[in-house]
Amino acid sequence: KAGVTQTPRYLIKTRGQQVTLSCSPISGHRSVSWYQQTPGQGLQFLFEYFSETQRNKGNFPGRFSGRQFSNSRSEMNVSTLELGDSALYLCASSLEGADTQYFGPGTRLTVL
Amino acid sequence: AQKITQTQPGMFVQEKEAVTLDCTYDTSDQSYGLFWYKQPSSGEMIFLIYQGSYDEQNATEGRYSLNFQKARKSANLVISASQLGDSAMYFCAMREGVDYGGSQGNLIFGKGTKLSVKP
Repeated sequence: KAGVTQTPRYLIKTRGQQVTLSCSPISGHRSVSWYQQTPGQGLQFLFEYFSETQRNKGNFPGRFSGRQFSNSRSEMNVSTLELGDSALYLCASSLEGADTQYFGPGTRLTVL
Repeated sequence: AQKITQTQPGMFVQEKEAVTLDCTYDTSDQSYGLFWYKQPSSGEMIFLIYQGSYDEQNATEGRYSLNFQKARKSANLVISASQLGDSAMYFCAMREGVDYGGSQGNLIFGKGTKLSVKP
């Protein structure tokens, strides 16, 4: 069974731009969660989607948003990029919310 | 207050020896889950092992075992017979309020321990 895939793997943007990251979960998994990883703040939870509904949200500004499609694929969007948004963005999927989360390889975003 | 504490920023271990990575947690929930993940330099988080708060036996997965001491709120990872490929960051994580009806849950991570295996 294929693992979690994330595209693109690397991205370079400039301040003020917006970006969309994509995540395809493991087949059959309905829950998708997003995390941001930075050297300073470590791993922080962004949001969780289950059956196309945002079920849980971390403490991030409204510039960070996401959605989930009927096939469980998920996208996250960051608008008006700031330098501090440079990070590794990890997507994880699980069968249900309470199950083990399996992570993708991440998207490394650099904001210049 | 930190909910997951990993006190060892970095550790060295000789190849083929065992190593223990420490993790303490803080929660008032009765039902929770504890996880360990490995993150090589490539960045992908690899699931290693899971322990539920109601599990009476320590979890084991191949060379990995979790030393779960509920009263002390600790969930240490033990890697037996270390290999060079074990060199990576290791993260302890917790999910609170686990409800097997499929409710929400996000992982809270510790800061990680960088393990280096010496040949």
